[in-house]
Amino acid sequence: GQQLNQSPQSMFIQEGEDVSMNCTSSSIFNTWLWYKQDPGEGPVLLIALYKAGELTSNGRLTAQFGITRKDSFLNISASIPSDVGIYFCAGQRQSSGDKLTFGTGTRLAVRP
Amino acid sequence: DTGVSQDPRHKITKRGQNVTFRCDPISEHNRLYWYRQTLGQGPEFLTYFQNEAQLEKSRLLSDRFSAERPKGSFSTLEIQRTEQGDSAMYLCASSESARSYEQYFGPGTRLTVT
Repeated sequence: GQQLNQSPQSMFIQEGEDVSMNCTSSSIFNTWLWYKQDPGEGPVLLIALYKAGELTSNGRLTAQFGITRKDSFLNISASIPSDVGIYFCAGQRQSSGDKLTFGTGTRLAVRP
Repeated sequence: DTGVSQDPRHKITKRGQNVTFRCDPISEHNRLYWYRQTLGQGPEFLTYFQNEAQLEKSRLLSDRFSAERPKGSFSTLEIQRTEQGDSAMYLCASSESARSYEQYFGPGTRLTVT
């Protein structure tokens, strides 16, 4: 099935650094979401975006819904060790019902 | 709010056996979704229910797969005659119908077919 393209695939950062990742699609989505998944667990919803151009924050996390509706960005400020995990973007389009289409994931590792 | 729960968390079975997984959604959520996730990939949609009605099924859901939500509360996913390619994490999610895009996931059932 289709998966959205996420970059980078993985990244190592120093604790305290800011992190940026993005997600792109060849088609338009009406809603973008960002999830974090720890090993052996289900994805946890971090942020939901509903309008093109929208910028939303949740603590140290900030996400943006791209103007073209074909992309989204997630920033993590002042990273800490518990930020380690895999970050997935997901999109939903009204024409495809309620299912979410997920990205390929960005694996984040933090050096303490 | 106890969150979405799934049982079992892990299942090892031999090829050809049948397996059944259970999902209990967040109590006030009337929508329930099943996804499958293989190693290194994001979750992929399988099917979803609104109350007891199954509204959509993915092409990934072969004839060996069946899902039910008989009373509009918990759901079961059964795989008949398992194959090694069925090995994956099976994830359940739930949402309110008015906010269907905000899907909350359970911890998943890890299936290994030997």
